[in-house]
Amino acid sequence: QKEVEQNSGPLSVPEGAIASLNCTYSDRGSQSFFWYRQYSGKSPELIMFIYSNGDKEDGRFTAQLNKASQYVSLLIRDSQPSDSATYLCAGITGGGNKLTFGTGTQLKVEL
Amino acid sequence: DAGVIQSPRHEVTEMGQEVTLRCKPISGHDYLFWYRQTMMRGLELLIYFNNNVPIDDSGMPEDRFSAKMPNASFSTLKIQPSEPRDSAVYFCASSSSGTTRETQYFGPGTRLLVL
Repeated sequence: QKEVEQNSGPLSVPEGAIASLNCTYSDRGSQSFFWYRQYSGKSPELIMFIYSNGDKEDGRFTAQLNKASQYVSLLIRDSQPSDSATYLCAGITGGGNKLTFGTGTQLKVEL
Repeated sequence: DAGVIQSPRHEVTEMGQEVTLRCKPISGHDYLFWYRQTMMRGLELLIYFNNNVPIDDSGMPEDRFSAKMPNASFSTLKIQPSEPRDSAVYFCASSSSGTTRETQYFGPGTRLLVL
C-alpha cells in the first residue's frame, strides 16, 4: 500500500462546476498535508496546506482533512479551464520534513 | 526572491556519461530536497539536506547517484555512469523550518534524457 494514494483520473468537470479531488494516507502519524498543482511540463506549485481537522478555505479552494478517516480532499469551486492540471496530494510522513506525494489526479475543466 | 534555481534546464547525454545537476535554494531556507519525477513512478524523494547535512538518502536508487551540499546556497546531484532508465525530470525544492513550516518550493526542474 502506498503511503499517499490518489485516483489518477482524469476527472472531467464542466466549467463553473465544483471539482472534488480526494486523497487517502496510511500513516496515522501524519500531521501536515499539502496540495500542489502541476501544469504539464512545469514544476509543482503549492495551492494549500492543512494541519487541523476540518475545512480550510482560500478563495475558490477548500481543503478538508479528516484524520480519523485518514482522508484529505480539495474542492475547487467555479472551476475554470485554467484549473486543468494535475493535482498532487502530499503528506509529511515518518516525521521530519519529508514529503510523500501521491501520484496525482489529472483534472480537466471543459468549456 | 528569485525562487529555487536549477541548471541545466535540459540535458541530453549518452549512456555511461557523468551528469551533474545543480540547485540554488531560496535564500534563508535550511532544507533542500532532490526529487525525481517519471510517468510510471510519479514524484519520488531522492535525498534531503538540513543545514547542508544529508538527513535521509533512502530514496537514492543506487550507488551511481550521489548528492552534495557544500554550502547553504548550492547543491549538486550527480549520476555516474548514467543509464537510459535515469531519464526523468529532476526537481530541487527548498523549505524553511521557520514560518513557512515545511512548505516546499520547487525549482523549474532539469529534464534529463539519457540515450
